[in-house]
Amino acid sequence: EAGVTQFPSHSVIEKGQTVTLRCDPISGHDNLYWYRRVMGKEIKFLLHFVKESKQDESGMPNNRFLAERTGGTYSTLKVQPAELEDSGVYFCASSQFRGSGYTFGSGTRLTVV
Amino acid sequence: RKEVEQDPGPFNVPEGATVAFNCTYSNSASQSFFWYRQDCRKEPKLLMSVYSSGNEDGRFTAQLNRASQYISLLIRDSKLSDSATYLCVVNMDNTDKLIFGTGTRLQVFP
Repeated sequence: EAGVTQFPSHSVIEKGQTVTLRCDPISGHDNLYWYRRVMGKEIKFLLHFVKESKQDESGMPNNRFLAERTGGTYSTLKVQPAELEDSGVYFCASSQFRGSGYTFGSGTRLTVV
Repeated sequence: RKEVEQDPGPFNVPEGATVAFNCTYSNSASQSFFWYRQDCRKEPKLLMSVYSSGNEDGRFTAQLNRASQYISLLIRDSKLSDSATYLCVVNMDNTDKLIFGTGTRLQVFP
């Protein structure tokens, strides 16, 4: 069984540019989560999809971040325009049932210069 | 105050040693507790869930004290391969959000 796949693994962009991160969850997992770790800080929740619906987006930092999950399969997280403080590692995770174990992807390391 | 507090370490221990990590959480409504392991530049991976009665998985023992809002992880007979960052994680039943501590770094040396 393929795990959670994230693309790209690394991205370096200039301040003001746009970046789109993609996550392919484990097939059949309705629950998809985005987290991020900023340098020196703990991993923090961004949002949770159940199928194509946003269940909880309380962790999204501001309106420069837009997450979508059209069709309830893969998800994208777009940052537009990127700021220096957006640098960090963005993790995606999926689970089959709420409260069941998460599987994390290997993350996208975003550097904004 | 952080929701989940951990000593960042690093803990440097020789192979074969026993090492213990502690974690405190601030929200008494927290219902589920976990230890995750994260290797350098990798994703977090679930090590074990933590139950009120305490639980053991091989060399790893986890304990939960709800009254003190305190979680522990004990690793016996440390191996070189145990070197990693150990993340204390909690969540509440009314949300799927995982709340992470900053992690405790363990380095096991020969």
